[in-house]
Amino acid sequence: DIQMTQSPSSLSASVGDRVSISCRASQSISSDLNWYQQRAGKAPKPLIYGASRLHSGVPSRFSGSGSGTDFTLTISSLQPEDFATYYCQQHYTSPLTFGGGTKVEIK
Amino acid sequence: EVQLVESGGGLVQPGGSLRLSCTASGFSFRSYWMHWVRQVPGKGPVWVSRTNSDGSGITYADSVKGRFSISRDNAQSMLYLHMNSLRVEDTAVYYCARYYFDTAGFYYMDVWGRGTTVTVSS
Repeated sequence: DIQMTQSPSSLSASVGDRVSISCRASQSISSDLNWYQQRAGKAPKPLIYGASRLHSGVPSRFSGSGSGTDFTLTISSLQPEDFATYYCQQHYTSPLTFGGGTKVEIK
Repeated sequence: EVQLVESGGGLVQPGGSLRLSCTASGFSFRSYWMHWVRQVPGKGPVWVSRTNSDGSGITYADSVKGRFSISRDNAQSMLYLHMNSLRVEDTAVYYCARYYFDTAGFYYMDVWGRGTTVTVSS
């Protein structure tokens, strides 16, 4: 199975900050990488697919980059509604696997 | 409105069985692959199983293979997860999710239900 490792596991930031979250795959997954946001008590919601493509309706402050084994989710200017947990997920091969998550908390 | 609603969760003893249902509405259910994903609170999601659009192509995570069975009824827009020989470690929130295929060849889970909680305990 492909292991997905996210870092950091948590971070504290302020509204307006630029935030970056890293996701590393245990083997190359090309650009088959998705990002999801999950608020407390809710289901995950899609943000980014294909490493850098924005899901419909997602604000442009979210962006994704990377290919191969190293990927980054960036929030250019953190908003109050962005405080949540973020997960990466690969669909290069079965089984689909998710990262352990990065919790973004208010500083 | 595009919507998925799970039901059927509950408390079951180890070794028991449960059937989860996922009711789809607002889209052409028969056109989409579907997944079950589970999540222990505070942990990352874990993929469980998926079916293609007509139910002829099915895969499972090794942890549930031989115990869980995914099925669908396209006429009723329903997805199911039949869970047998349940273990304490199957305790989680179970989500159904729609699989979207982008024209560029990328796939992602674009619609998720709210989840249903399964607790396996004696």
